[in-house]
Amino acid sequence: EAGVVQSPRYKIIEKKQPVAFWCNPISGHNTLYWYRQNLGQGPELLIRYENEEAVDDSQLPKDRFSAERLKGVDSTLKIQPAELGDSAVYLCASSPVWRPNTGELFFGEGSRLTVL
Amino acid sequence: AQTVTQSQPEMSVQEAETVTLSCTYDTSENNYYLFWYKQPPSRQMILVIRQEAYKQQNATENRFSVNFQKAAKSFSLKISDSQLGDTAMYFCTPEYGNKLVFGAGTILRVKS
Repeated sequence: EAGVVQSPRYKIIEKKQPVAFWCNPISGHNTLYWYRQNLGQGPELLIRYENEEAVDDSQLPKDRFSAERLKGVDSTLKIQPAELGDSAVYLCASSPVWRPNTGELFFGEGSRLTVL
Repeated sequence: AQTVTQSQPEMSVQEAETVTLSCTYDTSENNYYLFWYKQPPSRQMILVIRQEAYKQQNATENRFSVNFQKAAKSFSLKISDSQLGDTAMYFCTPEYGNKLVFGAGTILRVKS
């Protein structure tokens, strides 16, 4: 079974430029998560989708971040414009059910963003 | 605020020995779940072990076990017979309001 696939693995941009990250979850997983992981810290949730619906985006900085999950499968996370503080690893995860306590989260390898 | 404290930023252990990673958390809920996740260098995060708070018995998964002290809000991970492949960052992850909250992590290095 294929795991969670993310791209690109690495991205280096200058500040004020836009950037987008793509995630393909495990087939059949209805719930998709985007996390941000700063260097030396644990991941922090940005947004959670149930199928196409964003059910928790309270931690997403909406002035510059946007996300979409068309057709309830793949998802894209965009930052425009990027700031120096956005340098981090962006992790995508999926799970078959929305409650994390009834199932584990399956993570992708992450997209490492460096903003110069 | 929902807090998770992993007081050991880094630890080292010799191959085949036992190591314990500590974690304390804060919640007002009575029924919740706790997890330990492992993030190997340059590889994806994977679940190590899960504990249901209403269960008194400590969870065990092969060489991994937990010491869950509900009243003390403590959730430590014990790794027995450490292997080189156990080298990773370990995150204590309680569930708060249906959200996973990750601690800052403990880097574990297993030495040969």
